[in-house]
Formats: sequence, structure tokens, C-alpha cells
Amino acid sequence: QKEVEQNSGPLSVPEGAIASLNCTYSDRGSQSFFWYRQYSGKSPELIMSIYSNGDKEDGRFTAQLNKASQYVSLLIRDSQPSDSATYLCAVRNNDMRFGAGTRLTVKP
Amino acid sequence: NAGVTQTPKFQVLKTGQSMTLQCAQDMNHNSMYWYRQDPGMGLRLIYYSASEGTTDKGEVPNGYNVSRLNKREFSLRLESAAPSQTSVYFCASSDRAGVDIDTQYFGPGTRLTVL
Repeated sequence: QKEVEQNSGPLSVPEGAIASLNCTYSDRGSQSFFWYRQYSGKSPELIMSIYSNGDKEDGRFTAQLNKASQYVSLLIRDSQPSDSATYLCAVRNNDMRFGAGTRLTVKP
Repeated sequence: NAGVTQTPKFQVLKTGQSMTLQCAQDMNHNSMYWYRQDPGMGLRLIYYSASEGTTDKGEVPNGYNVSRLNKREFSLRLESAAPSQTSVYFCASSDRAGVDIDTQYFGPGTRLTVL
């Protein structure tokens, strides 16, 4: 079992829809959780960080964390074609572990 | 303020050759990291340096060595390159305190091919 698991996709949504990206992790001691966006051929850039159970909103993005279920998700509202990218879930305990990423395509 | 810089951007090596990947950050961060990214594998940690003067192995350290030259610079060395080391290498840095805790900032990457 991978330490951080994501559906590889591709996930395709129409412009204006909500994109829902999911991530599960195996290390119960994990304390910090991150979502990074990576455009093709570019480096990862941070979208959201979340440290406690519940929801955290930033503009069109909402991160959700459920430590009991070892689950973290990212919702993107009003999806735009510019949101098309690979989204990496990262989980930190002693060091950072990344999922393989979910490729999102937003169709105009 | 350049953030995290890496050199070179591209490199082609023959099996058995050696090279050093350079990384520098100007954000006064204490921690620095080297990752490799392969298709379908996500980012995997090779080595990290929690603070100047310390280095630790990550998930996939075999075949690599690192040097934390000073607070700004963290280099990754391949002593005898192998085709399995063909990958994209990212350097990152972070600060372990404050509101930005644990957020890692990535350099642009080095695309390495070993023939």
C-alpha cells in the first residue's frame, strides 16, 4: 500500500463545475497536509495547506481534512480551463510524502 | 528575490559519469530537500537537510550524495550515473516555523537523462 494514494485520473469536468480531488494516507501520525498544483513541465506550487480537521477555504479552493478516516480532499469551485493541471497531495510526519497526483482537465 | 534556483536545467550523461546538481535559495529557509519525479511515481524524497550542517536520507537515497554547503546552498551528487537515475530532479526549501510552517517552495527542476 502506498503511503499517499490518489486517483491518477484523468478527471475531466466542464468549465464552471466543481472538481473534487481525493487523497488517502496511511501514516496516522501525519500532522500537516498540502495540495500542490503542477502544470506540465513545471515545478509544483502550493495551493492549500491544512493542519486540523474540517474545511479550509481560500477563494475557489476548499481543502477538507478528516484525520479519523485518513482522508484529505480538495474542491475547486467554478473550475476554469486554467485549472487544468496535475494536483499533488502531500502529507508530512517526519518527512514529506507525495501522492502520484491526479490529472485534472477542465473543458471549455 | 529569485526563490529557489537550480542548475543545470537539462543534462545528458553517459552511464558511469558523475555530476553535481546545484540548488540555492534566497528565502533564508533552514530546511532544504532533493526530490526526484518519475512518471506515475509522484515526488520521492532523496535527501534532506533540516538545518545547516545536517543531512538525512529520504525515501530513495541510494546512488546519491548531498552537501549542505551553507544555509543557502544544497547540492546533489551522482557519483556513477545509471539509466535508472533518469528523472526530473527538484530542489525545495522550507521554514519550519511561523504561519508558513512546512510549506515547501520548489525550484524549476533539472531534467536528467542517463544513456
